[in-house]
Amino acid sequence: GAGVSQTPSNKVTEKGKYVELRCDPISGHTALYWYRQSLGQGPEFLIYFQGTGAADDSGLPNDRFFAVRPEGSVSTLKIQRTERGDSAVYLCASSLNGDEQFFGPGTRLTVL
Amino acid sequence: AQRVTQPEKLLSVFKGAPVELKCNYSYSGSPELFWYVQYSRQRLQLLLRHISRESIKGFTADLNKGETSFHLKKPFAQEEDSAMYYCALGMDSSYKLIFGSGTRLLVRP
Repeated sequence: GAGVSQTPSNKVTEKGKYVELRCDPISGHTALYWYRQSLGQGPEFLIYFQGTGAADDSGLPNDRFFAVRPEGSVSTLKIQRTERGDSAVYLCASSLNGDEQFFGPGTRLTVL
Repeated sequence: AQRVTQPEKLLSVFKGAPVELKCNYSYSGSPELFWYVQYSRQRLQLLLRHISRESIKGFTADLNKGETSFHLKKPFAQEEDSAMYYCALGMDSSYKLIFGSGTRLLVRP
């Protein structure tokens, strides 16, 4: 079956704009994770969903970042008033009951 | 604070040479350790985890709690092993992973 998919693959925006990044997990996976990977760094945890609820959002850097998963499947990461420092690859992963995490290809966000 | 350290940004070896990618962690609880790999133009994927104690693609890693290390080893490197390797620490039933900054392995012919 299909793996985790993320759209768009690339997003270029201007400072101050609002962006939405989408993640489609593997069908049936109850757990969904968002990570951010800056250049030269490993992925950094942002938020974890179990079903529809955010079980841990301790990695979100500030209140400009928000994520939802309204039906327990697709998730959207929302960033308000983007800043140049938000430029990174945003990775999504899903797992079955917290087991092995399967990663998507990522969305490369560039804030000009 | 929880932390994963991979001291080498780049490791270059010749084909057939042994490889050891270093990983040290800091965590006061009971850790779960993983190695993830990212081949060129591919997504991040799990290579191995310490609880399974498997050898994957000839790679092994042993958790040393005394030295807080989880080094990745392979006795004879192959060109197809060239990739980015990330060590990761799992906490709280492994749902949250803390990654190291990664080591690029380059295996020369």
